[in-house]
Amino acid sequence: QQQVKQSPQSLIVQKGGISIINCAYENTAFDYFPWYQQFPGKGPALLIAIRPDVSEKKEGRFTISFNKSAKQFSLHIMDSQPGDSATYFCAASIGGNTPLVFGKGTRLSVIA
Amino acid sequence: DGGITQSPKYLFRKEGQNVTLSCEQNLNHDAMYWYRQDPGQGLRLIYYSQIVNDFQKGDIAEGYSVSREKKESFPLTVTSAQKNPTAFYLCASSTLYQPQHFGDGTRLSIL
Repeated sequence: QQQVKQSPQSLIVQKGGISIINCAYENTAFDYFPWYQQFPGKGPALLIAIRPDVSEKKEGRFTISFNKSAKQFSLHIMDSQPGDSATYFCAASIGGNTPLVFGKGTRLSVIA
Repeated sequence: DGGITQSPKYLFRKEGQNVTLSCEQNLNHDAMYWYRQDPGQGLRLIYYSQIVNDFQKGDIAEGYSVSREKKESFPLTVTSAQKNPTAFYLCASSTLYQPQHFGDGTRLSIL
């Protein structure tokens, strides 16, 4: 039973383009939705996170859009760069200091 | 520099052997977690601990054991009962309403 579904599995984007990764969740008790970026051989690093009281959060080139009624959230990477090539994970949790439930990841390749 | 240190970076296990993965944090975080990462599977929770001397099983705890005797340390033992231990193991920590920080993982392989 997968509580957070992530798509696509892989994504190829031209340099300067927009990368979009989508996630859907089932548990309406989730109240924290982070996105992590992972490079090969490294641990995931927090990119940006959102709580359900807002519909959008932007940090630099990264934006989370959140649709509470549809139980969906997405990551948009504007002006994608080759250095953004990595695996991206969405996640969700309930409350504080609780485990994260992860999507299966999206492998992003940004080509020049 | 505050952070999470996992060691060793690479570990090899022989048949029937137990191995222990180390995780130390100097962030003064209350909670610590162990996740297993397999290709295409995302991260799956093995065990977590929200306070010293207490821990809870995650989704895939069978064949693993943990201890939490000190706030800064949360070692994971992969026992011989875990029949498919080859994976990338990630340790994380957090404090209340702050995001989880991850270490750089231990890659475990079978000899």
